[in-house]
Amino acid sequence: ETGVTQTPRHLVMGMTNKKSLKCEQHLGHNAMYWYKQSAKKPLELMFVYSLEERVENNSVPSRFSPECPNSSHLFLHLHTLQPEDSALYLCASSQGASTGELFFGEGSRLTVL
Amino acid sequence: AQSVAQPEDQVNVAEGNPLTVKCTYSVSGNPYLFWYVQYPNRGLQFLLKYITGDNLVKGSYGFEAEFNKSQTSFHLKKPSALVSDSALYFCAVRDPPTGGFKTIFGAGTRLFVKA
Repeated sequence: ETGVTQTPRHLVMGMTNKKSLKCEQHLGHNAMYWYKQSAKKPLELMFVYSLEERVENNSVPSRFSPECPNSSHLFLHLHTLQPEDSALYLCASSQGASTGELFFGEGSRLTVL
Repeated sequence: AQSVAQPEDQVNVAEGNPLTVKCTYSVSGNPYLFWYVQYPNRGLQFLLKYITGDNLVKGSYGFEAEFNKSQTSFHLKKPSALVSDSALYFCAVRDPPTGGFKTIFGAGTRLFVKA
């Protein structure tokens, strides 16, 4: 398997549920990202991990909790979400922070009821 | 603060005609510039980037982009559009001295290529 893989592709959850999104990259990259894509809005950077350490956290509500156990895996734990959190959540990876382009997974479409 | 503007929400072009998708940026230093494409229900795919050197960069699927420092622009172009080029296109910028790992994306431009 190659590239960046995200699971699940679709998730429907209630506001009181706890769920997790998973991302795995097979590219040997050392940085991983979570982006949120909402309709008619620019992509919002949520979290960045470099060498398994969080280096960016863009004022994301605490109901979103990231975890990066190693350089190949990234999770986004979800708890007591709101309907406005419904969006496409995109995982990406890159080699370093400078000239490397981002490689994206296909996204996890989240619907909060 | 770094920012990216894509002034057109949508671009319509006939198949076989040249296409241009516009992008302007604002950064404090020398930018790294990127174009990505997104097909329906898919993630973003990298098309091309400008880091340094020749202002005209060539990328995937016959696309190219021209870096213009004086106009702070990085427009995406293709000499002959295909129906299969219809997708959502994102311009992005990274400002290495201040931006760290942050890649800032424009709002996207939807390209429709009509047969």
